[in-house]
Parts: sequence; C-alpha cells; structure tokens
Amino acid sequence: GAVVSQHPSWVICKSGTSVKIECRSLDFQATTMFWYRQFPKQSLMLMATSNEGSKATYEQGVEKDKFLINHASLTLSTLTVTSAHPEDSSFYICSARGDLQSRGYTFGSGTRLTVV
Amino acid sequence: GENVEQHPSTLSVQEGDSAVIKCTYSDSASNYFPWYKQELGKGPQLIIDIRSNVGEKKDQRIAVTLNKTAKHFSLHITETQPEDSAVYFCAVTGNQFYFGTGTSLTVIP
Repeated sequence: GAVVSQHPSWVICKSGTSVKIECRSLDFQATTMFWYRQFPKQSLMLMATSNEGSKATYEQGVEKDKFLINHASLTLSTLTVTSAHPEDSSFYICSARGDLQSRGYTFGSGTRLTVV
Repeated sequence: GENVEQHPSTLSVQEGDSAVIKCTYSDSASNYFPWYKQELGKGPQLIIDIRSNVGEKKDQRIAVTLNKTAKHFSLHITETQPEDSAVYFCAVTGNQFYFGTGTSLTVIP
C-alpha cells in the first residue's frame, strides 16, 4: 500500500515553455503533498507544501509564480514550471502524507527535467 | 527549526562487511525517524523507520537504533551486498519533515 505515482519520469523542454508534473496517490487519500527539488549529489530541498483545497505554502526563496502548485483533489497534486529556463533543470520529487500513521510519507519516483 | 546532521557523507565497504550511518537531530519533540534509500535517477524508498518510543528495530539485514537522550539514531546494514550501493538519507519528523544530507554508500564486490 501507500503508492505515489509521479509522471513524467523525465522531460526535455525548450526555454520559455511550461512543464507540468503530476503526483498521484494511488491507494490512499493524501491530505498533504510535498514537492522537492534535488541537485546532483545533494539532499532533497523542500520547495512547497500543498494541502488539498487550499493554497500551497512555499519555502523561502521559491518563486510561487514560477512553480505553480495545484492540489485540487485528495489524490492529485501538480507542479507546473512556468517559463522554464536551463537553471530550472533538476530532479523534482513529490511525496504524500495521508492518514496512514504507520508510514507517514511516501515518495514518488521523481521527474528529471532538462530545459534546453 | 530542526537541524539534522548525517555522517559520513561517503562510505565504502567490502562486500559482506557492515555499514553504519549516523544522524543527529536537535528537536527533542521529533518522534519519527525514517531511513530512505535512493538509487540513481529514482525517488527515495523507505527502508526502515523507528518511532520515539522504541530503541531498536530490525528487518533482516537492516537495523535502526535510536538514542533519544543523545538525540541520535543510526542505520546498520550487515552482510552488505553490491545492490546496497546507493545514497541513504535519514529523516526526522515532528511537526515538519527534515532530511539529512545523505550518505553515498559503495559496496565493493
């Protein structure tokens, strides 16, 4: 149980275009979802926390207008990188926290974004 | 906020030897301590976790020990195998979720 599906697993886009990444909880309802960014050989950096039906809370230094997060249902959160630039190239990972007390947090498989 | 330190940052062991990774934290209110394994190009996978009311937990070759007084917990992998090679992250949760800085483990055949 507690599976989080993240798509796409990799994407290449041109500078100036927008990219949407989806994160779905497959077998549980995720009241809270988290989006992370990971640079090579570094730990995961929390970008934002989203709660179903309300606005996301962004970490300091993360541009909310550039990284749009939508958590419209208990099983789906999306991260849209708007007007992408090469410096946005990174590994993005989502995680979800449902009501499963025994597990807590489950992570998606990540999305490798390359902006050319 | 919470301050999570993880050591060592890199670790190389011979196949069959044991590997130990340690994390320290600062917030005494933290109550859940998971360990994640991340393979290249993939998301973190939970491998073992421990709650604050338990001192030790074991799952086959993997064990975690927690010292709440000293605010540190450790991951122990015995009889290491090449497929154990990955980056391992500790995490600490209380009101929020904090990752350690990661340990790159290499098991040499």
